[in-house]
Amino acid sequence: DTAVSQTPKYLVTQMGNDKSIKCEQNLGHDTMYWYKQDSKKFLKIMFSYNNKELIINETVPNRFSPKSPDKAHLNLHINSLELGDSAVYFCASSRDTSGGADEQFFGPGTRLTVL
Amino acid sequence: SQQGEEDPQALSIQEGENATMNCSYKTSINNLQWYRQNSGRGLVHLILIRSNEREKHSGRLRVTLDTSKKSSSLLITASRAADTASYFCATDTGTASKLTFGTGTRLQVTL
Repeated sequence: DTAVSQTPKYLVTQMGNDKSIKCEQNLGHDTMYWYKQDSKKFLKIMFSYNNKELIINETVPNRFSPKSPDKAHLNLHINSLELGDSAVYFCASSRDTSGGADEQFFGPGTRLTVL
Repeated sequence: SQQGEEDPQALSIQEGENATMNCSYKTSINNLQWYRQNSGRGLVHLILIRSNEREKHSGRLRVTLDTSKKSSSLLITASRAADTASYFCATDTGTASKLTFGTGTRLQVTL
């Protein structure tokens, strides 16, 4: 029973292409996230959704567009892929907390390679 | 800008020894969390310590928090080869659910 799942696990594509990464959580959490981890293992938040509403949108190029069809799913669509987009993308989820961040559950990651 | 800096960047010890990792951050925080990441895997939550707490234990893990020095430490006692991983601290300021991660410490435990 995978709590947070992502597909695909690996994604290799050419510059300029458009691609999507899907994420699903079966934990009943209200909040979901997308993180980017670069080659130096630096992990940075990109987006966060709470009950399908965008609550965190860091300074991410607008080529990146998250979509949350329901609170169990958060997908990431990337247009016009660039070499610098190569990274590992992690989805995560947590309970909705008004008192600050709670424990986050991470997916296994999607390794994106742009050629 | 990066909220947390971890020290050391890499640590190599033998099985049975203790491992200590430190995390420093820049602004006032609400909570601080520690996560482990095995190679090629997602992060796994280890422990959460609130800003009004000074120490917390979970199994072989001991976390301390010094808000006056804006620092935290993670101690793993009696390390095992399976503890080999990268360890990250993460802080939040109580705004939304945003976590800001540190740079991580790579721990290698050898037999």
